[in-house]
Order: sequence, then C-alpha cells, then structure tokens
Amino acid sequence: AQSVAQPEDQVNVAEGNPLTVKCTYSVSGNPYLFWYVQYPNRGLQFLLKYITGDNLVKGSYGFEAEFNKSQTSFHLKKPSALVSDSALYFCAVRDTITGFQKLVFGTGTRLLVSP
Amino acid sequence: KAGVTQTPRYLIKTRGQQVTLSCSPISGHRSVSWYQQTPGQGLQFLFEYFSETQRNKGNFPGRFSGRQFSNSRSEMNVSTLELGDSALYLCASSEGGGPQETQYFGPGTRLLVL
Repeated sequence: AQSVAQPEDQVNVAEGNPLTVKCTYSVSGNPYLFWYVQYPNRGLQFLLKYITGDNLVKGSYGFEAEFNKSQTSFHLKKPSALVSDSALYFCAVRDTITGFQKLVFGTGTRLLVSP
Repeated sequence: KAGVTQTPRYLIKTRGQQVTLSCSPISGHRSVSWYQQTPGQGLQFLFEYFSETQRNKGNFPGRFSGRQFSNSRSEMNVSTLELGDSALYLCASSEGGGPQETQYFGPGTRLLVL
C-alpha cells in the first residue's frame, strides 16, 4: 500500500534560519508526491508537487522540496524561515493503485518559527 | 477564479441525526473528493466523484454517502451520526482527475456531534 511517514511531530526553528520538514514514502510504481500546509481553522493549501523530472521542486512562498529516490524521501525546505510559516505541514502521495485522485497523507508536522 | 467553497462552515448535530455538507469546486473542475480530518486518525479519504459518478471510495461505513451534480457541485451525507463523526470535512477539486493533477482544498466544514 502507498504510505508516507513524517517522523517529526514538531519542528522548531528561529526566524531567518533554514528549515527542513522530513517526509519518506513507500509506493508501488512511480511516486507522485505533494506538500500541503494548513493554518488554524483553514483548509489545506497546496505548496508543491513532484511528478517527474528535476529532483529539486520549487513551490509557493519560497518553499522547495528535494526528491531522493534512493532514500525514498521528499523533504520540504526553505532557506530562511518566517514567523508566518508557523503552521501544520502535510506530505502526501497519490494512490496510483486504486487510482484517480485519492491522496494518502502523513500525520503532519507542526512547524514553529520563533522570532 | 474563485476557490473551492464549502457550506456550512460549522455545524452542530446530535447523535442519531443526519447531516448534509455541500461543496462547490473551482470553476471547470470535474473531480471532487472528500476527506475527513480528526486528531486521532488524521486525514482520511472518503470518496471521489467525477462526472456525477463515484469512482473511488475509502474505508468508511455506508452511513457516509455522497453525490455529484451535473454542474460538478457535490454533497456528502452522513446518516445516524455518532460522536466519532465529529471532524473537519474537507472537499477538494481537480480539473480532470488525472493522477498528476493537483487537488485544491476548500476551507472545510467543522462538524460537532453531541
């Protein structure tokens, strides 16, 4: 079965420092990977996705993610964190076995950026 | 384009009642999916509709059902509500529903069952 793991419940970083939110995946076939962010009392906002091609994917709000096939990882990164980046981040993989649009989500990582 | 809209945003029901939630996808999007988000189970897929047909379903009891209309708007219904159905219900839409496409989420409907 397709699955993703987010090993850290929370990541703490000081404003201006680089941040990394980790994600590893397990899939059959080609991985279609996504990152979403959720602010309090809001839905999920799309940040970026990896479908094929360059291993470094650039997304919204200065975020990027690095796809590593050998390590089955898709870590989210940002060179310089902002306090406003504090939110809940979800990694997800498209379930290509059952097909169509179903996303399988990780458990989420809470990012806390301190001033 | 306007984003995905969901109504109502908040809802309080009692056990045994039924509830209907509504979702309007982004204009031109034909695929609509529903997810349930709870602190204990996280984000779980409920079902997906495309061109008025359910084409995928998650592991939820039959009390959870949905439908899609010809204008791509979708509704989900939960009958005989249980306390455990308290959750944030998220709707997401995509244009053609292909595996590489991005799903865009609405703000959700927060359901509280008392």
